[in-house]
Amino acid sequence: DAGVIQSPRHEVTEMGQEVTLRCKPISGHNSLFWYRQTMMRGLELLIYFNNNVPIDDSGMPEDRFSAKMPNASFSTLKIQPSEPRDSAVYFCASSPEGYEQYFGPGTRLTVT
Amino acid sequence: AQTVTQSQPEMSVQEAETVTLSCTYDTSESDYYLFWYKQPPSRQMILVIRQEAYKQQNATENRFSVNFQKAAKSFSLKISDSQLGDAAMYFCAYRVYNTDKLIFGTGTRLQVFP
Repeated sequence: DAGVIQSPRHEVTEMGQEVTLRCKPISGHNSLFWYRQTMMRGLELLIYFNNNVPIDDSGMPEDRFSAKMPNASFSTLKIQPSEPRDSAVYFCASSPEGYEQYFGPGTRLTVT
Repeated sequence: AQTVTQSQPEMSVQEAETVTLSCTYDTSESDYYLFWYKQPPSRQMILVIRQEAYKQQNATENRFSVNFQKAAKSFSLKISDSQLGDAAMYFCAYRVYNTDKLIFGTGTRLQVFP
């Protein structure tokens, strides 16, 4: 099993640009999570899906952030427009229902 | 609201020695799961061990074991025979039984000295 796949691994962009992060969960897992990790705020849950349906998006910082899961094998997290304070490592994780979460390698986003 | 507290920002241990990382949590639930995750410099989050609250027996995975004290809401991680590769950030996490949402602590950075 390839594990959770995230792309890109690194992203550098200028303020105001649109950024799209991608995630492919482990096959058969029906829950998918997006996290953000910063030194100041630690690891924060942004949103999670169950069976492709968003269940809890209370952690999404503001309207500039949006997430979609069009099918069981793909999800995106989009930031439009990006700001320097969005710089962080973004993790995607998946889990079979009721079990532990398996994390992807993360995307390091730098907004200049 | 459920919270997870890791009161040790940093810990250090000599290679081959034993170290214990502390974690406390606050919840009014009776059924839940607890986890320890490891994040090495590669930043990959790796599951170390999990404990179901309804199990009285402490979980063990090779050199890693937990001391789960439900009444005290304490969930510490013991690493025996520490190795250089154990150096990492360690995060304690809590999950309510019938949800998928994890609540993480702020982490403990573990250094291992030769």
